[in-house]
Amino acid sequence: DAGITQSPRHKVTETGTPVTLRCHQTENHRYMYWYRQDPGHGLRLIHYSYGVKDTDKGEVSDGYSVSRSKTEDFLLTLESATSSQTSVYFCAISEKEATVRDPDTQYFGPGTRLTVL
Amino acid sequence: AQSVAQPEDQVNVAEGNPLTVKCTYSVSGNPYLFWYVQYPNRGLQFLLKYITGDNLVKGSYGFEAEFNKSQTSFHLKKPSALVSDSALYFCAVRDEYNFNKFYFGSGTKLNVKP
Repeated sequence: DAGITQSPRHKVTETGTPVTLRCHQTENHRYMYWYRQDPGHGLRLIHYSYGVKDTDKGEVSDGYSVSRSKTEDFLLTLESATSSQTSVYFCAISEKEATVRDPDTQYFGPGTRLTVL
Repeated sequence: AQSVAQPEDQVNVAEGNPLTVKCTYSVSGNPYLFWYVQYPNRGLQFLLKYITGDNLVKGSYGFEAEFNKSQTSFHLKKPSALVSDSALYFCAVRDEYNFNKFYFGSGTKLNVKP
């Protein structure tokens, strides 16, 4: 899985509690992404980062925040978890900025299965 | 807005037969299209991508995809299916105006039976 680890791999938590998921890469890639995967929806982008302390929202960012203080780590935080955030979360990385000539490929981590009761 | 559609939730094929997994896209500009595969309890793995040029793109594990602009399709194909090809397949499109955003289809489960 391209030098990407996610922790924890599984988590069960209760509604209203804060949760932080960690993505760690050893590839020194500039770009990092958080997705959630739900049946019938494929993968949907939550947030992404284009450098240390540089982040932007994806299509389903409500209820999530992110931080990137080091190149290798990208944290996803659910400030107050809800049952609708039960999902499988994937981190992805890509090396360089995509251009018209080369929309760079993303490489994915193994995923974190989060259950909010 | 960019989007992709995978019209089949599941595709069943016998080992040794050709397989096709369908994908159609909707973009306002030039399409940048990808196929990924996901094995159980694993992350997504890149298979192939289309940028410009030849309409037939070759990728990993013997897969290829045919780009058809008039039909706005990007179907994934393999001449001879293996049982080990059984997995979940995702089509994705890159946003022309923000290359850092991907839009994924809902996925197609491929079952290859011996």
